Amino acid sequence: GAVVSQHPSRVICKSGTSVKIECRSLDFQATTMFWYRQFPKQSLMLMATSNEGSKATYEQGVEKDKFLINHASLTLSTLTVTSAHPEDSSFYICSAKYGPSTDTQYFGPGTRLTVL
Amino acid sequence: QQQVKQSPQSLIVQKGGIPIINCAYENTAFDYFPWYQQFPGKGPALLIAIRPDVSEKKEGRFTISFNKSAKQFSLHIMDSQPGDSATYFCAARKTSGSRLTFGEGTQLTVNP
Repeated sequence: GAVVSQHPSRVICKSGTSVKIECRSLDFQATTMFWYRQFPKQSLMLMATSNEGSKATYEQGVEKDKFLINHASLTLSTLTVTSAHPEDSSFYICSAKYGPSTDTQYFGPGTRLTVL
Repeated sequence: QQQVKQSPQSLIVQKGGIPIINCAYENTAFDYFPWYQQFPGKGPALLIAIRPDVSEKKEGRFTISFNKSAKQFSLHIMDSQPGDSATYFCAARKTSGSRLTFGEGTQLTVNP
């Protein structure tokens, strides 16, 4: 199956700093990428959908100025958590799909963010 | 509003048992129903998926049963193994969109 990677897998940062998480599709071109966050023992919550070369579409309640998403190429999307605070600590997961007519989303392994 | 409701929240079975996880949806615009398996600290992995034009789909030990009139679908795991212990999520997607709506998840434990 298709492979999606995320980097870093874990990050610890101080409150007030910014953190960038990368999501790469390794063996296919991802026209659409999705960013989720997941709290312990909870389901995945979609944060935003990004299409290559266009602005991300954020879900209601997600601050677009805090969670900056860039999908500059067909294999790379980045999520930047700006001015991180302890409440931003979570598991961030990206997924990718290729083509509007395909069903399958392939998920990355996730990034554990801890804000001290 | 939770558009996909999943039950049970947790489930414990013995090795060889057949755990069944159920999901119900409300929106008839959903037309694609995948199941994902997630191990602790990992991203979800697609197990099996179904469209509403079939009532059952089987892949290996995993079977989806789909009841369109009742707007329900379920995952059955045959001959369950301790390695199947994970959290399982059902999901649904609308015809016109790309986003998945996830259920709340079921934590499955298969005892040896």
